[in-house]
Formats: sequence, structure tokens, C-alpha cells
Amino acid sequence: SQKIEQNSEALNIQEGKTATLTCNYTNYSPAYLQWYRQDPGRGPVFLLLIRENEKEKRKERLKVTFDTTLKQSLFHITASQPADSATYLCALDESNDYKLSFGAGTTVTVRA
Amino acid sequence: DVKVTQSSRYLVKRTGEKVFLECVQDMDHENMFWYRQDPGLGLRLIYFSYDVKMKEKGDIPEGYSVSREKKERFSLILESASTNQTSMYLCASDRMNTGELFFGEGSRLTVL
Repeated sequence: SQKIEQNSEALNIQEGKTATLTCNYTNYSPAYLQWYRQDPGRGPVFLLLIRENEKEKRKERLKVTFDTTLKQSLFHITASQPADSATYLCALDESNDYKLSFGAGTTVTVRA
Repeated sequence: DVKVTQSSRYLVKRTGEKVFLECVQDMDHENMFWYRQDPGLGLRLIYFSYDVKMKEKGDIPEGYSVSREKKERFSLILESASTNQTSMYLCASDRMNTGELFFGEGSRLTVL
């Protein structure tokens, strides 16, 4: 089955800096990849979806890249703020049937 | 806005008890999902349903069953709860064209 690895469990950064999170996958070629945000004790919230034919996608201060050759997605939070502190999950649909598989997540803490 | 409502935020049950977790969505989504989330393991798919009375096993269906009698409602059933089923349970529904999942707030189950 699909294996999804997010680069680290925790990332601590200074306010105003850029946080970069990595999501690597194996075995399959998904048609798209998604990123979610999860706050403690809450359900995940959808942030961005990037398709296999898209190299980059942006939403406000968020940027996602998708390299199907490297089987990797990078998630950037630019000009980070303490309110960006949360766990970020990557997810992909390995068989294009709307069943998402998730990585374990990276917890980002932004220090003021 | 889409709303996915899970009936109980916190439950404490004893080993061997039958447990029902209820989920209701209000946006007429066809697909509904049950995940469990454990530290370091990410979200793992238990069951999903793509239509009323239809269900398919996810990655970890053992010890669980589901029911979908109405389109808006998807129930997860633990026939005989065990301590290894202590977890956060997340229900989700999706908008089929995008695969974007809308999650409920989660039900934290403790089995003693």
C-alpha cells in the first residue's frame, strides 16, 4: 500500500520566517495531493489540492509544489505567524477513488 | 458551509461494550468515511460508503462495522470494544469532484 512520509514530527520557527514541510510518497502515482491543517482536539481542515500536472499552487501565504518524478510535495508557509501553529497533514488518493491516505503530520510552532 | 457533526466528542466505555459513533453531514455528499487517528500513525481509514446501504472496507476494518441507512448519516459500530480501540475517531464526507474531505470535530473514545 501507499507509504507517505512527512519529513519531521515537529518544526519550530521564528515569526516572519518561512516554514517548509516535506511529504514523500512511494509505490503509486496519485492524480492529486492535498494538504490539511489540524488544530489540537479538532478535525483536519482542507487547505490546498495540487494535481499531477500542476507544478505549483498558491493560496495567500501558502505555497505547494508537486514533483511527480521525485514523488514529493513541499508545503511552504511564508511570513509565518503564531496563528499558523498547528499540525499539517499531507494526503493523497493512491487509486483515484476518493479514498485518501494520510501522512502522520508535521507540527509547526511559530514563535513570536 | 458544509457541516459534519459527530454525536459525541468524548466517550468512555468498558471492554466488551457495544459502541455507536454517529455522524451526520448536511451537504448531500455521496461519500462518507470513518478514520481513526493515533499519535505517530496519522489517520487510517476504517470504512467508507459511497451511497446509501453501500460500504467498503478501508485499511483497518477489523473490529468495526458501519451502517448507512440515510444519505446524510454514517454510523460506526464497535461490536465489542477493546482497549486497543482507544483512539480519536474522525468522520468525513467529500465533494466528489475534488476529493476534498470535510471532517467532523472527532470523537475521542477511551476503552477501559
